Amino acid sequence: DVKVTQSSRYLVKRTGEKVFLECVQDMDHENMFWYRQDPGLGLRLIYFSYDVKMKEKGDIPEGYSVSREKKERFSLILESASTNQTSMYLCASRRNPGGRSDNYGYTFGSGTRLTVV
Amino acid sequence: GQQVMQIPQYQHVQEGEDFTTYCNSSTTLSNIQWYKQRPGGHPVFLIQLVKSGEVKKQKRLTFQFGEAKKNSSLHITATQTTDVGTYFCAAGPVAGGTSYGKLTFGQGTILTVHP
Repeated sequence: DVKVTQSSRYLVKRTGEKVFLECVQDMDHENMFWYRQDPGLGLRLIYFSYDVKMKEKGDIPEGYSVSREKKERFSLILESASTNQTSMYLCASRRNPGGRSDNYGYTFGSGTRLTVV
Repeated sequence: GQQVMQIPQYQHVQEGEDFTTYCNSSTTLSNIQWYKQRPGGHPVFLIQLVKSGEVKKQKRLTFQFGEAKKNSSLHITATQTTDVGTYFCAAGPVAGGTSYGKLTFGQGTILTVHP
């Protein structure tokens, strides 16, 4: 089974702190994603990476950055945490889509519930 | 960017009743995926639809992709308490461009099943 592991299940940080959320996948997937999930807003894409050292902004990148130095690891960085970044953060990975009927969905990690106080 | 509207936001049913959630886009989609998230859990991939008019079944779940590839539905027959959770659709972009592989999620439908 594909496994996506997020380093922390719960995290409490102070306003202004630099926060690192780590995600590791063990199936050699090319694509990795960071989403945040908030009630009523569904899943919103923050950043994604389609290869090592490659990254693209998602729909809500402001206040975040990412790092992908190795294929299996995709880190989300909150440069200066703010209370409006309190949320559930979900990492996902996926094999690079190929062919006309690629049938592989995202595999999500268990999530990190971040509270910024 | 691409938007996907999912309705209803909430659905309460008695055990044994049917349930349907709908997903709509203003643009043509290359594919659509469906996910289930149990309370306290993370989204889990259920299925992907690619072809116009495609219908797929998984036991009591029926998934459809519209002829114009702009809408999709998930229907559950005779719901059970184990069906409780949030169901998300997720749309792939129109083929081509730099967003290859990136999905846009609907807001989800929260299903409650009363025993």
